[in-house]
Amino acid sequence: AQSVTQLGSHVSVSEGALVLLRCNYSSSVPPYLFWYVQYPNQGLQFLLKYTSAATLVKGINGFEAEFKKSETSFHLTKPSAHMSDAAEYFCAVSDSGGYQKVTFGIGTKLQVIP
Amino acid sequence: GAGVSQTPSNKVTEKGKYVELRCDPISGHTALYWYRQSLGQGPEFLIYFQGTGAADDSGLPNDRFFAVRPEGSVSTLKIQRTERGDSAVYLCASSLIAGNQETQYFGPGTRLLVL
Repeated sequence: AQSVTQLGSHVSVSEGALVLLRCNYSSSVPPYLFWYVQYPNQGLQFLLKYTSAATLVKGINGFEAEFKKSETSFHLTKPSAHMSDAAEYFCAVSDSGGYQKVTFGIGTKLQVIP
Repeated sequence: GAGVSQTPSNKVTEKGKYVELRCDPISGHTALYWYRQSLGQGPEFLIYFQGTGAADDSGLPNDRFFAVRPEGSVSTLKIQRTERGDSAVYLCASSLIAGNQETQYFGPGTRLLVL
């Protein structure tokens, strides 16, 4: 069965600092990996996805994630945090490539300190 | 353009009652997905439609849950004999087609509280 583990339910960074949100996956087949963001009182928003075309995936709002098979990781990064990045971030995995039957992690809440 | 909309935004009901949750996907999107997000958890897949048919309903927790999409656009998630454990935010999403080349768009969710 596929699953993802998000390390750290809460992460705090200073404005302008590097954002690093960790995600490790478990999958018996080559996985498709996703990151989503949920802003306060808003619906989920797709950030980026890995589909084996390239190991470094760029998403919206300056976020990117790198697939590392040797570490079974797909960590999300952004070079410089902005106050507007404060939200909850979800990593997810699918073995089909589509959005059906995507398995989500429990989420990481990002706090940005001014 | 209009995004995915869900109604009602909040629903409070009593244990044992029947509820219907509605999702209006983005016009032209053939794929529609329902998820459930319990407090402190990530979303959990429930069912996926391709057009009018349920292509995968393996995430529905039991036979009290049912969803339809009769004309391939609006979908209704129906919950019979609601239980307190059904309390969650129910999320709907749509994409132009099903597959990893398409972006998925989510609605704001319906917050269901079963008393």
